This record gives sequence, structure tokens and C-alpha cells, in this order.
Amino acid sequence: GNSVTQMEGPVTLSEEAFLTINCTYTATGYPSLFWYVQYPGEGLQLLLKATKADDKGSNKGFEATYRKETTSFHLEKGSVQVSDSAVYFCALSDSGGYQKVTFGTGTKLQVIP
Amino acid sequence: DVKVTQSSRYLVKRTGEKVFLECVQDMDHENMFWYRQDPGLGLRLIYFSYDVKMKEKGDIPEGYSVSREKKERFSLILESASTNQTSMYLCASSFRQGEAFFGQGTRLTVV
Repeated sequence: GNSVTQMEGPVTLSEEAFLTINCTYTATGYPSLFWYVQYPGEGLQLLLKATKADDKGSNKGFEATYRKETTSFHLEKGSVQVSDSAVYFCALSDSGGYQKVTFGTGTKLQVIP
Repeated sequence: DVKVTQSSRYLVKRTGEKVFLECVQDMDHENMFWYRQDPGLGLRLIYFSYDVKMKEKGDIPEGYSVSREKKERFSLILESASTNQTSMYLCASSFRQGEAFFGQGTRLTVV
């Protein structure tokens, strides 16, 4: 079946540091890939997405590129802020069948001033 | 604005009770999902539905059932609540191969 593996947290960074959260996936066909963010006490919200190989998703300074050759979708941000502190989830959606969404275990990011 | 609404933010139930968690979406999405979220385990899929009256088991369906009588509503049922079902429950909906939109979550405590 499909699976998503992301780096374990927590990740602690100083404000304005560079962020990378690694994500790799296993899937048949051509899934869509997503990053979701969960702020404390809230549900998940979509951060960015990519639907085909070499697509780059971007939002709020975050970026991720769909790399089919390495089955990866790493999340990056050039300069993090305290307000970016949250849990980040990598996910994929089946390309066929019922299009169920599979999530990674989440990576907690803490940004300190 | 798209919206997925879960009926309760917090619930406390007793062991053995039958528990209903309700979820409503206003986006005319075909797919709806129930996940539970536990520390260190991420989101685990309980059940999903790709159409009215259609359902599929996810990764951890034991102890749960679901109902989808109308397109906009997807209910999760705990037939006989147990303490190991204490968790955060998240409902989501999506178009086919689209991103999932989530509700705020229901934190269920079974005592």
C-alpha cells in the first residue's frame, strides 16, 4: 500500500534560520503530494501541493518540489518565523481507485526568537 | 469559504456507551474521511467514503462503523466506547485526487 515517511521531530530552529523537513513516499501510479500544517488546538490546513513530477508547490514562503526519481517532496523555507511553529504533515493522494489520502506521522517545528 | 464542521470540539463518554461523531461539509465533495490522531502516530485512517452509502475500511476500522446517508454528512460511530479510543478525531472531505479539507477535530475522552 501507499506510505509516507517524514523526518522525526521535534525540530527546533532560531528565527530566520533555514528549514528543511524531509518527506519520501511509496505509491503506485502518479499520486498528488501535499504538505499540511496544524497549529496548536486547530485542525489541519493545506499549506501547498503538487500534482505531477517536477511541479513546485509554494505558499507563505514555503516550497516543495515533486521529485519522482527520488520519490521525495521535501519542505523548505528560507527564513522561519516564530509564527511558523506548528506540526507539519506530508501526505499523498492516490491517482486511481478511491483517492484516499495517506499521511506521514508529522514533524513538530518550534521556532525560538 | 469552504467548510467542514464537526459537531463537537470536546466529548467525554463512559466506557461501553455508543458514541456518534458527526461531520458535515458544504463543498459537494465526493470523498469523506475519518482519521484519529495520536501523539507519535500521526493521522491514521479509520474509514472513508467515496459516495453516498459507500464506505471503505481504512487502516484501523476495528471498533468503529460509519454512516453516509447524505452526500454532505459522514458519521463515525463507536459501537461500545473503550478507553483506548480516547483520541483526537478528525473529519475531512475532498474532490477526487484533490486536497483534503479538515474540520477542527473532536477530542474524545472515554472514562
